[in-house]
Amino acid sequence: AQTVTQSQPEMSVQEAETVTLSCTYDTSESDYYLFWYKQPPSRQMILVIRQEAYKQQNATENRFSVNFQKAAKSFSLKISDSQLGDAAMYFCAYRSAEEYGNKLVFGAGTILRVKS
Amino acid sequence: GAVVSQHPSRVICKSGTSVKIECRSLDFQATTMFWYRQFPKQSLMLMATSNEGSKATYEQGVEKDKFLINHASLTLSTLTVTSAHPEDSSFYICSARDEGLAGRWEQFFGPGTRLTVL
Repeated sequence: AQTVTQSQPEMSVQEAETVTLSCTYDTSESDYYLFWYKQPPSRQMILVIRQEAYKQQNATENRFSVNFQKAAKSFSLKISDSQLGDAAMYFCAYRSAEEYGNKLVFGAGTILRVKS
Repeated sequence: GAVVSQHPSRVICKSGTSVKIECRSLDFQATTMFWYRQFPKQSLMLMATSNEGSKATYEQGVEKDKFLINHASLTLSTLTVTSAHPEDSSFYICSARDEGLAGRWEQFFGPGTRLTVL
């Protein structure tokens, strides 16, 4: 079974600075998807960024980018120019690309605090 | 992105009563929906996968007679917590699968329902 590990329970960053959240995963599959979700205090889950394992190029979405290292099974999220609105819990998630692969496997989450 | 709603957003009930939570996909049809449970400052735990027109698939350790799931239409799935007890108090989140384009399907999440059992 696949597992996702987020080793940082909490992180802090100064407004306008850059922060990196770590995620590692374990799988025997070669084709899969990786995600970062944001859960602000409202508890609404928001998709931040998505990476397809067969793509070597790292995904980017405005101030959010990932460092996808397939061999190392690492998928970190970099937030540049941090804003107060970035404060939230961030979850890394894995999903198989197989037809049966409906499920998202979530990591434990990282609470990100943004200091003004 | 696609929109998923949940109703109610909050519910307080007495121990022993049943509570129904609705999950709706507002602008797309969802053959598959998912129900999660989340405790404070913890991750989402998948409870079951709901498929339109068929029985739900429950994760190991989830009591199917306790958490009844019905997915009677392509836009609505319901979770009924039967004979609720204080330990069932939690935040329940649903998500729905939007098929999207060229197989790039995504899960979109509802805003969640906070259940408090007294």
